[in-house]
Amino acid sequence: QQQVKQSPQSLIVQKGGIPIINCAYENTAFDYFPWYQQFPGKGPALLIAIRPDVSEKKEGRFTISFNKSAKQFSLHIMDSQPGDSATYFCAASKDDKIIFGKGTRLHILP
Amino acid sequence: DGGITQSPKYLFRKEGQNVTLSCEQNLNHDAMYWYRQDPGQGLRLIYYSQIVNDFQKGDIAEGYSVSREKKESFPLTVTSAQKNPTAFYLCASTLDRAYTGELFFGEGSRLTVL
Repeated sequence: QQQVKQSPQSLIVQKGGIPIINCAYENTAFDYFPWYQQFPGKGPALLIAIRPDVSEKKEGRFTISFNKSAKQFSLHIMDSQPGDSATYFCAASKDDKIIFGKGTRLHILP
Repeated sequence: DGGITQSPKYLFRKEGQNVTLSCEQNLNHDAMYWYRQDPGQGLRLIYYSQIVNDFQKGDIAEGYSVSREKKESFPLTVTSAQKNPTAFYLCASTLDRAYTGELFFGEGSRLTVL
């Protein structure tokens, strides 16, 4: 009930391509779904987040798609760049509880 | 600049020794957290504190201890009882418990047991 399943574990995409990272949650009580970006040797940083009352949110080249009925959400990176190479974590939260996915290591080839 | 400062960035410890990791924030956040990160394991919650002088165990608290004597500080002690302490440790904070999804992380401390 408390898991957030993230896939794929790793992803390699050519520069300019659109990597897609998927997450699925079980507990319908979650009401906030953030994505964090982590560069090697650094702490994660909040990238973009969505609430379940909207189906899509865009911030620059990053888009979250949200499917409430399927309990799934995904991150798309448009026109991906080598600087986007990082580990991405999805999460689901409610009040003082946050559950993280296990992360996707993304590599963008130049 | 506001943020979270973790120190030391790298730490080596002999087996059987306790070690304390520092976490200081100047964001005026009420809630602070410690996470452990291992390759392929994601972020696992060790301890969290929502207010000064109060803290709760997370999912993997065994072998760890914390204190929260000041709002700005939340040190983590890795004790000799922790069986596999080599990991990357992350401290985080958020405005209060209602904003747990919006965590601010420090840059981490990498602990290696020799």
